[in-house]
Amino acid sequence: AQSVSQHNHHVILSEAASLELGCNYSYGGTVNLFWYVQYPGQHLQLLLKYFSGDPLVKGIKGFEAEFIKSKFSFNLRKPSVQWSDTAEYFCAVRPIGSSNTGKLIFGQGTTLQVKP
Amino acid sequence: DSGVTQTPKHLITATGQRVTLRCSPRSGDLSVYWYQQSLDQGLQFLIQYYNGEERAKGNILERFSAQQFPDLHSELNLSSLELGDSALYFCASSTTVTDTQYFGPGTRLTVL
Repeated sequence: AQSVSQHNHHVILSEAASLELGCNYSYGGTVNLFWYVQYPGQHLQLLLKYFSGDPLVKGIKGFEAEFIKSKFSFNLRKPSVQWSDTAEYFCAVRPIGSSNTGKLIFGQGTTLQVKP
Repeated sequence: DSGVTQTPKHLITATGQRVTLRCSPRSGDLSVYWYQQSLDQGLQFLIQYYNGEERAKGNILERFSAQQFPDLHSELNLSSLELGDSALYFCASSTTVTDTQYFGPGTRLTVL
């Protein structure tokens, strides 16, 4: 079955530390990849997405992610986190198959806590 | 603000009851999606509609049904509610069937 795995459930960092959140998926075909963020009490917001082309994608608020096809991974990075980055982060995959749908498969989420 | 609106924000009801959740997509978006977020299952895709037609179905229970109306708003109907149906229900919309999805604020359903 298609699935998305986020390695870390809860990450605690100090401000200015670097961040890397892991995401791996299981699907042998072509995929679209997304990272969404959910700030406390708010809805899911798109951070960045990969459809095709340069595997290093830049998103909002200084986030970037790298798609490594051979590793089925799409890790999220930020060189220096801020207290305002405290949130839950979700990796999502849209498998592209014969049935052309928008169904997203989400990972379990990673809660990031940034200490001031 | 994503432009996707959902009502109500909170809903508290009893087991066995039926509720309707409403979603209005962003202006111009033809596709609507429903997702359920619970502590044990995480974010699960329920169903997708495109321009009034069902496009894809996920782990949606038979007690649940949805539809998309000619004005493109969508409703998710949950019946014979059980305690385990307590969750956040998100609606998302996109321009096409496969474009980026933008999420609404969610409806928090509590079944007592």
